[in-house]
Amino acid sequence: QVTLKESGPVLVKPTETLTLTCTVSGFSLSNARMGVSWIRQPPGKALEWLAHIFSNDEKSYSTSLKSRLTISKDTSKSQVVLTMTNMDPVDTATYYCARISGWIQLWFDYWGQGTLVTVSS
Amino acid sequence: QSVLTQPPSASGTPGQRVTISCSGSSSNIGSNTVNWYQQLPGTAPKLLIYSNNQRPSGVPDRFSGSKSGTSASLAISGLQSEDEADYYCAAWDDSLNGPWVFGGGTKLTVL
Repeated sequence: QVTLKESGPVLVKPTETLTLTCTVSGFSLSNARMGVSWIRQPPGKALEWLAHIFSNDEKSYSTSLKSRLTISKDTSKSQVVLTMTNMDPVDTATYYCARISGWIQLWFDYWGQGTLVTVSS
Repeated sequence: QSVLTQPPSASGTPGQRVTISCSGSSSNIGSNTVNWYQQLPGTAPKLLIYSNNQRPSGVPDRFSGSKSGTSASLAISGLQSEDEADYYCAAWDDSLNGPWVFGGGTKLTVL
């Protein structure tokens, strides 16, 4: 059974760095062409893709947030970590991690439950 | 603004057929497949359609997807009250917008 679970702080202050962890089970981060993405959703708004990392350590970031994001993985712990620097109240959102499936064409087939992060002083 | 354009709302009565459109460009829908996600109130998104028209195991065949040129559509037939949710299209984008882009979401109301 494939599951993903996000963890991290519920509340961060402006200018602080957010660190979120996605712990996966039911599959290995070392499987060929396996990947995990981070996606966020501000309250009442649409989904926004943030970053992804594949088993071969290929990484990609949202163009608009690239300077603030870092994604990494620890295969032995089955975890994918996202850090976002210089947090601002507009970054208040539910943050999801999702598994990337497919080969040439890709999609997000399993999602975590999400974690709500509020940015406030 | 989202890169992919969806109508903000749609509605239908039980049993009806409803379609939700998703418009993009040559760098996303025009050259890559489209996926659709359903987000029930207060829950995480769930994969509904992948690769334009494929249904994951467990998704009823009332849901279908199609793509033509730079647009895609999600159709729901035999509408049920439990279909009331937000629906998002998504695609890989080969331009600087990408690599992943989403639509702004369509809130489906079952009247």
